[in-house]
Amino acid sequence: EPEVTQTPSHQVTQMGQEVILRCVPISNHLYFYWYRQILGQKVEFLVSFYNNEISEKSEIFDDQFSVERPDGSNFTLKIRSTKLEDSAMYFCASMAGGPYNEQFFGPGTRLTVL
Amino acid sequence: AQSVTQLGSHVSVSEGALVLLRCNYSSSVPPYLFWYVQYPNQGLQLLLKYTSAATLVKGINGFEAEFKKSETSFHLTKPSAHMSDAAEYFCAVSEGTGGFKTIFGAGTRLFVKA
Repeated sequence: EPEVTQTPSHQVTQMGQEVILRCVPISNHLYFYWYRQILGQKVEFLVSFYNNEISEKSEIFDDQFSVERPDGSNFTLKIRSTKLEDSAMYFCASMAGGPYNEQFFGPGTRLTVL
Repeated sequence: AQSVTQLGSHVSVSEGALVLLRCNYSSSVPPYLFWYVQYPNQGLQLLLKYTSAATLVKGINGFEAEFKKSETSFHLTKPSAHMSDAAEYFCAVSEGTGGFKTIFGAGTRLFVKA
């Protein structure tokens, strides 16, 4: 069964460093997402991506964040200068299309900023 | 904007007892509603979804949910709890426009006692 994969599973970085979180969505899906979950809190939407551009972003997704789909298979989230409060679990998701379909979530990358 | 509210951050039931997890939604348009489950240190797995085809929706692992427009509710139930049901459960709503982002409730942690 196709699945969304994410690497690495755990990333530890120093405050101020850049990190890139990688995701491989399901191959025939058209919509791509990043969500985050701070420990003990709910899952929060960060950004949606469709047709090679951002379709929507939350207020969390400021200039420090960017997304890219560089080669038609990978979908990346970059944080330019990490802060302590960026420590969270980051989930990638993909969807075939339209609101009726479910989003398939990856297992997540736990980001720890020291 | 659409939102979901989950009543009760923690629910504890005995094995074999009825599971009832409450969710109320706020939406000015017909909503697309979901229940996801998250086991410890894992990603999000779809339990079931409501897409207006039927008000009673059956999902995996014996769970079901009933959409009640008059009560703006989408409560999750299971007739008989199993120890393996212990997890975090998230009610979610998908916006039917734009990037179809998913908005999650705060989650309800289900404990199952032997």
